[in-house]
Amino acid sequence: TQLLEQSPQFLSIQEGENLTVYCNSSSVFSSLQWYRQEPGEGPVLLVTVVTGGEVKKLKRLTFQFGDARKDSSLHITAAQPGDTGLYLCAGADTGGFKTIFGAGTRLFVKA
Amino acid sequence: EAQVTQNPRYLITVTGKKLTVTCSQNMNHEYMSWYRQDPGLGLRQIYYSMNVEVTDKGDVPEGYKVSRKEKRNFPLILESPSPNQTSLYFCASSFELADTDTQYFGPGTRLTVL
Repeated sequence: TQLLEQSPQFLSIQEGENLTVYCNSSSVFSSLQWYRQEPGEGPVLLVTVVTGGEVKKLKRLTFQFGDARKDSSLHITAAQPGDTGLYLCAGADTGGFKTIFGAGTRLFVKA
Repeated sequence: EAQVTQNPRYLITVTGKKLTVTCSQNMNHEYMSWYRQDPGLGLRQIYYSMNVEVTDKGDVPEGYKVSRKEKRNFPLILESPSPNQTSLYFCASSFELADTDTQYFGPGTRLTVL
């Protein structure tokens, strides 16, 4: 089974700081997705990266897919308290029908 | 409104008492899936279904059953729940499982088995 390792597991920062979350695997994924989950709710998709080396931006969030399609990163610029939440990466198993999630990065942004 | 609904949202039960968690989507999605979420482990896939009458095991299927008799519904059945099945459960659906398809998640069902 393919695995996705996320780091760090927990991050507590001050408003205005920058941060990067990593999602790594020894396996190749055809695509990776990033989700954000708030307490009491299900995950909500932020972005899907498909092409090796791809960079996508969503306001202050920048997502990158590694050239070899084994890793991805999420960079947040000037974090705000509203960014607080659990960030999850996910990818489709090479068989194509299973979805594998990382354990998540819990971000807390202090005002 | 396009959505995935789950019922119940909260359930406390006892070991061995059969239960069913329902999941329904109104988006005519072909792919549906069940996950459990435990602290430090992220979401782990229990079962998935690619279409009506087509289901397959995810990574943690032991102790669970599913059925897909209709496109919109995908119930999760625990025939004899045990305390290690205490968890937060999510149902999800997508049009299909293509690279760019979005999985939509339900609000979750928090299950406690005593």
